[in-house]
Amino acid sequence: GAVVSQHPSWVICKSGTSVKIECRSLDFQATTMFWYRQFPKQSLMLMATSNEGSKATYEQGVEKDKFLINHASLTLSTLTVTSAHPEDSSFYICSARTPGGNYEQYFGPGTRLTVT
Amino acid sequence: AQSVTQPDIHITVSEGASLELRCNYSYGATPYLFWYVQSPGQGLQLLLKYFSGDTLVQGIKGFEAEFKRSQSSFNLRKPSVHWSDAAEYFCAVAPDAGGTSYGKLTFGQGTILTVHP
Repeated sequence: GAVVSQHPSWVICKSGTSVKIECRSLDFQATTMFWYRQFPKQSLMLMATSNEGSKATYEQGVEKDKFLINHASLTLSTLTVTSAHPEDSSFYICSARTPGGNYEQYFGPGTRLTVT
Repeated sequence: AQSVTQPDIHITVSEGASLELRCNYSYGATPYLFWYVQSPGQGLQLLLKYFSGDTLVQGIKGFEAEFKRSQSSFNLRKPSVHWSDAAEYFCAVAPDAGGTSYGKLTFGQGTILTVHP
């Protein structure tokens, strides 16, 4: 089956610094990737849709200058949390969709970000 | 905008017992419906999905779900639960339209399943 990886699996950073999270589709090409945020004991909230070679589309209320998304290749999308603050601490999950109109998304294992 | 409600935050069942997890959705038309399972350290795994056709869908790991349009529900069931089924389960919907909403999933709050031996 399709496999999506994320790196790192967990990261601790200091307030004010930036951190980059990678999402890779390992055995398929993903024209579209999605980034979600999950708070403890809560659901996944879609942050943005990332399309290869174009600008990401952000959901309402998500600061695009704070959460920078780059989808430079068909197998890699990155999420950079800039000038991180403790309130950015969360579980970030990416998913990738195979081309061809299939609705199925394959999810990465997530990245736990803690900002101190 | 679509929304998904999972009324039960936490369910506990005994191993071997039957299971039903509830999911209700709000959407103007018939959405695409999904159930995912999330285990610690692993990505969300698709259990089953409904797009159209037979309203009773079979999934992996012995799970099934039934789409009931009149009740706007898509409940997940399993006749006999195994200890390895303990995890968090998410119901999700996606609009059947194209454009900017294409493929966007809206998730319910999740239901944590605990299985007692």
